Amino acid sequence: EPEVTQTPSHQVTQMGQEVILRCVPISNHLYFYWYRQILGQKVEFLVSFYNNEISEKSEIFDDQFSVERPDGSNFTLKIRSTKLEDSAMYFCASSEGGFFGQGTRLTVV
Amino acid sequence: QKEVEQDPGPLSVPEGAIVSLNCTYSNSAFQYFMWYRQYSRKGPELLMYTYSSGNKEDGRFTAQVDKSSKYISLFIRDSQPSDSATYLCAMSSMNSGYSTLTFGKGTMLLVSP
Repeated sequence: EPEVTQTPSHQVTQMGQEVILRCVPISNHLYFYWYRQILGQKVEFLVSFYNNEISEKSEIFDDQFSVERPDGSNFTLKIRSTKLEDSAMYFCASSEGGFFGQGTRLTVV
Repeated sequence: QKEVEQDPGPLSVPEGAIVSLNCTYSNSAFQYFMWYRQYSRKGPELLMYTYSSGNKEDGRFTAQVDKSSKYISLFIRDSQPSDSATYLCAMSSMNSGYSTLTFGKGTMLLVSP
């Protein structure tokens, strides 16, 4: 069964550092998404990406964040100058959002 | 008022029970309604997807949508210990593309053998 793959599964970074979270969406899907879930909180939409550009973003997705599809398979979320409150599970989803990856747990220390 | 409200539980039931999970919402533009199952520190897994009002059945799972009441439900029949997880409702409007999902906080379900 096709799946969305995310790496790494867990990332620990120091406050102020940049991190790149990686996702390999399902191959024939066209829409890609990033969501995050702070521990104990609801899953929140960050950004959607279609045809190599952002199609929608939430208020959370400010200048600290960027997304890229550097090649035909990978989809990345970059977080610059990480803050303690960026600690969360970050989920990539593809196509109509029905397919989520297993997530990257980001811990900022 | 929060867009999507969901009782966080935990909801504890014995094996074999019928489970009812519910969400209410305030945005009348929502047209697509999903239920996800999430195990601890894992990604949400899509269980059911319903468009507009009505019922949908898949095995032991039945999803109901009542748009007039802004109320959706997921029923699980013959619940099993393996059903123990957090169940998330999610919904989307047509204008924003059905995958820009707004989630409830999730209900933790515990099924005891």
